[in-house]
Amino acid sequence: EDKVVQSPLSLVVHEGDTVTLNCSYEVTNFRSLLWYKQEKKAPTFLFMLTSSGIEKKSGRLSSILDKKELSSILNITATQTGDSAIYLCAVERRNQFYFGTGTSLTVIP
Amino acid sequence: NAGVTQTPKFQVLKTGQSMTLQCAQDMNHNSMYWYRQDPGMGLRLIYYSASEGTTDKGEVPNGYNVSRLNKREFSLRLESAAPSQTSVYFCASGDRRDPMHYGYTFGSGTRLTVV
Repeated sequence: EDKVVQSPLSLVVHEGDTVTLNCSYEVTNFRSLLWYKQEKKAPTFLFMLTSSGIEKKSGRLSSILDKKELSSILNITATQTGDSAIYLCAVERRNQFYFGTGTSLTVIP
Repeated sequence: NAGVTQTPKFQVLKTGQSMTLQCAQDMNHNSMYWYRQDPGMGLRLIYYSASEGTTDKGEVPNGYNVSRLNKREFSLRLESAAPSQTSVYFCASGDRRDPMHYGYTFGSGTRLTVV
């Protein structure tokens, strides 16, 4: 059975901290892994990863895929209160994306 | 602005009532999807349409029907609503030919409560 597992389920940090969010998967015919940020409404796209070991970066956020370990991490450095959100990992298989349950990140001033 | 538009944003139904959630995208994407999001369950695929004229079941299709009316529109129908269908529903579209939207572009969601 295909599954995507994210950890931790929730996290509370202080502004300025660095956090690492994890996503592991068991999906047949893997094509890509995506990270999304969800605040109050719809998820918004952060990164797409298809090749192992290549880091994608956008400002303070970065992500790497490890296809051997069937996992990915999302790093956020120098966290800000605006980073508070649910972070979703999704794995593509054929025409569908399978989502994890998400990690809820709260950044307190 | 380009994007995915869902209506309504909120809805309360009585058990047994029916309703249709509407979704339209103006990005010329081939694929469209309906997800539901429940606390602790993440996003679960209800139905998807890989192209105009085709629809397929996802993980949790029971109690729902869909129609891909044309390339732009993909509707989700609850024929006889049940309290277990209380959820937030998201429509999304995507297209591998569009590198900016390879993943999904999501609508803003419909919060449905069945009492």
